[in-house]
Order: sequence, then structure tokens, then C-alpha cells
Amino acid sequence: ILNVEQSPQSLHVQEGDSTNFTCSFPSSNFYALHWYRWETAKSPEALFVMTLNGDEKKKGRISATLNTKEGYSYLYIKGSQPEDSATYLCAFYNYGQNFVFGPGTRLSVLP
Amino acid sequence: EAQVTQNPRYLITVTGKKLTVTCSQNMNHEYMSWYRQDPGLGLRQIYYSMNVEVTDKGDVPEGYKVSRKEKRNFPLILESPSPNQTSLYFCASSYGSGGGWNGELFFGEGSRLTVL
Repeated sequence: ILNVEQSPQSLHVQEGDSTNFTCSFPSSNFYALHWYRWETAKSPEALFVMTLNGDEKKKGRISATLNTKEGYSYLYIKGSQPEDSATYLCAFYNYGQNFVFGPGTRLSVLP
Repeated sequence: EAQVTQNPRYLITVTGKKLTVTCSQNMNHEYMSWYRQDPGLGLRQIYYSMNVEVTDKGDVPEGYKVSRKEKRNFPLILESPSPNQTSLYFCASSYGSGGGWNGELFFGEGSRLTVL
């Protein structure tokens, strides 16, 4: 079974702080790396799907980078807001096989 | 509205009583999959289907069955539920399984199952 790790497990920040999380995944047979945002009592929603080494993607205050050779991705949130509070999941996809999700980073943004 | 619909959303049942959790998507997606989520663990894939009549085991398939007779439906069957199958279950779909597919998943709202 492939292993995907995320750190930290949880994070509390003040409103306005910038923060980042890490996702580590196997560097072999890479096809795609996904980031999902999962709010309590809702379903996970895709933030980014990244496929190329060196990819950088941005959506508003949230951005992500990808390093497939060393097997990691960073998710950055600039100027955190209370509505950013959620669990952030990364998922590794090895084409033709299954998706493997990390355990998630739970972010709480305090007003 | 494009969506993935799961039913039931909540269910309490007893050990050994067969149950089915339905999943339906209206986006004409080829790929569908089931996950369970347990505290402290990430989403773990139970089964997935790359297309009609094509299903494969994920990481935790024991105690579950699936079928894919139609493109839009992918039911999860628990033939003889046990307490260790108490969990939050998500169905997800994605548009295709061919070249260029990036695998973005669209999730249902989840089904919380309790087996006593």
C-alpha cells in the first residue's frame, strides 16, 4: 500500500496569518497530485490538480507547488480568514491504480 | 445541477443485516469510486470502477461488494455488516479514464453508517 503523509496534523493560526502545509508522496510512477478542501459536514472539493514537476497553481489566496522528483507538494494560504478553516487533503494518483489520500491537515483560523 | 448523490445519508443497522448504499452521478463520468473515512486516517479507497462492468479493489475491499451495470450508478453493498464497518462513506466520480485525464474527483455528501 502506498503511503501519503501530511504535516502538520493540525494547525491553529490567527486571522491574517499566512500558513503552509506539506504533502509527501511516493516519487515513482507519479501521475497526479490533488489537493482537496473539506469543510465539516460537507463533501471534499478539489482545490488543485497538479501533474507536472515544478507546477505552481493559484486560486485567490491559496497556492500550491509540486516537486515530483523528491515527492512533495506545498499548499500555501496567504492572509488566512476564518472561512479557510477546514481539513486540507492531498491525494496521490498512480495511473491505472487507486487514489491514496493523506490523513489531512486540519486548519483552524481564529478571528 | 451536476452532482453525486448518495443514499442513505445516515443509517443505523445491526450486525449481519445486508445493506446497500446507492451512488448516482449525473455528469456522465466514466470513473466512480468508494471511500471510507475513519478518525485519524485519510480517505481510504474501497473499490473503484473505470467504466461500466469494470471494477477493481482499492486498499480496503474486505467485506464490501460493488457493481457497475450502468454508467451513472455505483452501489456499495455490505453483505453482512460488522461493527468495524461503522464509518463515514463517500462516493466520488471523475469524468474519464483515458489519456489527459487528471483524475479530479467530485464527491457525494457522504453516508454515515453505524453497525451495532
